[in-house]
Amino acid sequence: DQQVKQNSPSLSVQEGRISILNCDYTNSMFDYFLWYKKYPAEGPTFLISISSIKDKNEDGRFTVFLNKSAKHLSLHIVPSQPGDSAVYFCAASASGGATNKLIFGTGTLLAVQP
Amino acid sequence: NAGVTQTPKFRILKIGQSMTLQCAQDMNHNYMYWYRQDPGMGLKLIYYSVGAGITDKGEVPNGYNVSRSTTEDFPLRLELAAPSQTSVYFCASSSNDRDRGGYTFGSGTRLTVV
Repeated sequence: DQQVKQNSPSLSVQEGRISILNCDYTNSMFDYFLWYKKYPAEGPTFLISISSIKDKNEDGRFTVFLNKSAKHLSLHIVPSQPGDSAVYFCAASASGGATNKLIFGTGTLLAVQP
Repeated sequence: NAGVTQTPKFRILKIGQSMTLQCAQDMNHNYMYWYRQDPGMGLKLIYYSVGAGITDKGEVPNGYNVSRSTTEDFPLRLELAAPSQTSVYFCASSSNDRDRGGYTFGSGTRLTVV
């Protein structure tokens, strides 16, 4: 039972254009969402997060949007750069436990073409 | 500033052999985690710990054991290795405050069981 889903295994975008990566979740108890970026042969690195009390969080070229009613979040990268080419993981957690456990999606491979 | 250090980076095991994957963090984080990443499957939680002396199972704990005798170290033990344990293993740590940027991951251990 995949509680966090990334239905697009891959995405190709031209340099300078917008990249939109999508993520859906099924567990209504999730209230904190994160995006991680992963290069080959490295561990994932934290990119941006959003709490369920917000619907948007922005950090430079990266913006995460949260639609709680649709149980959907998206990561926008504007403008996209070749160095953004990586696998992007969406993750979610629920409060109420003292563990900070994250549930990860399957990832989307982003390729930014020069 | 080492962050999370995993050793070894690569290992080939024969079926039935045992080994310990080492993980150490220098950020004084209470929470530590072990994940495995299989192709197209995202990251699955194996075990986690909320502090020294406290461990608990994640989604896929079978075939693994952990211990947490110190805040810094969280080794993962594989007993009687099986081909199904061929994967990339990531250790991560986090602070108690999940708003502080999520997990810090190690660079991973690529394990092949033949």
